[in-house]
Amino acid sequence: DTAVSQTPKYLVTQMGNDKSIKCEQNLGHDTMYWYKQDSKKFLKIMFSYNNKELIINETVPNRFSPKSPDKAHLNLHINSLELGDSAVYFCASSHQGVANEQFFGPGTRLTVL
Amino acid sequence: AQKITQTQPGMFVQEKEAVTLDCTYDTSDPSYGLFWYKQPSSGEMIFLIYQGSYDQQNATEGRYSLNFQKARKSANLVISASQLGDSAMYFCAMRGNYGQNFVFGPGTRLSVLP
Repeated sequence: DTAVSQTPKYLVTQMGNDKSIKCEQNLGHDTMYWYKQDSKKFLKIMFSYNNKELIINETVPNRFSPKSPDKAHLNLHINSLELGDSAVYFCASSHQGVANEQFFGPGTRLTVL
Repeated sequence: AQKITQTQPGMFVQEKEAVTLDCTYDTSDPSYGLFWYKQPSSGEMIFLIYQGSYDQQNATEGRYSLNFQKARKSANLVISASQLGDSAMYFCAMRGNYGQNFVFGPGTRLSVLP
């Protein structure tokens, strides 16, 4: 059984388009995250949701909007895609508490042409 | 603010030898957790090992152990008996008790030589 799943795995699109990435976890976790990993492999947190409420919104452009319909899902919608948005986007989830590790999805490789 | 530093962008190790990947951290949280993740070339993020700030003993998981020195704020990962499959990016991360977020270091690329 997949713990954290993301769709699609690959996404190739033109500049200016709008796209969404879906994430689902079946671990019963109460916190979900979106990360962006750039070409240098640096992981930057974008958003964090705890029980469907946004608790972190790092300085990302407002073209990025997370949507959490329920505790098991955290989708990422991106408007007006730009070349610099090309990256791998990871969804992750965890329980609250310092001792709880994050479980990551397989990643979505976004390429903006 | 929390910060993780990994000063080794790349490391090489001979197969079957041990290797230490460095990680230092900075936080003002009284309680925190330290984590190591592995990212092979296939891209997935794999959790390896966890160390709590109040744990008295260093964490171990199979060939992985964590050399935790709280006073020096370091949490180095030791991989014993390296295997070719250990070649990957390794990330050190921290989670404090005042926030939900994880802070990741920039990573170390480990290459195991035959």
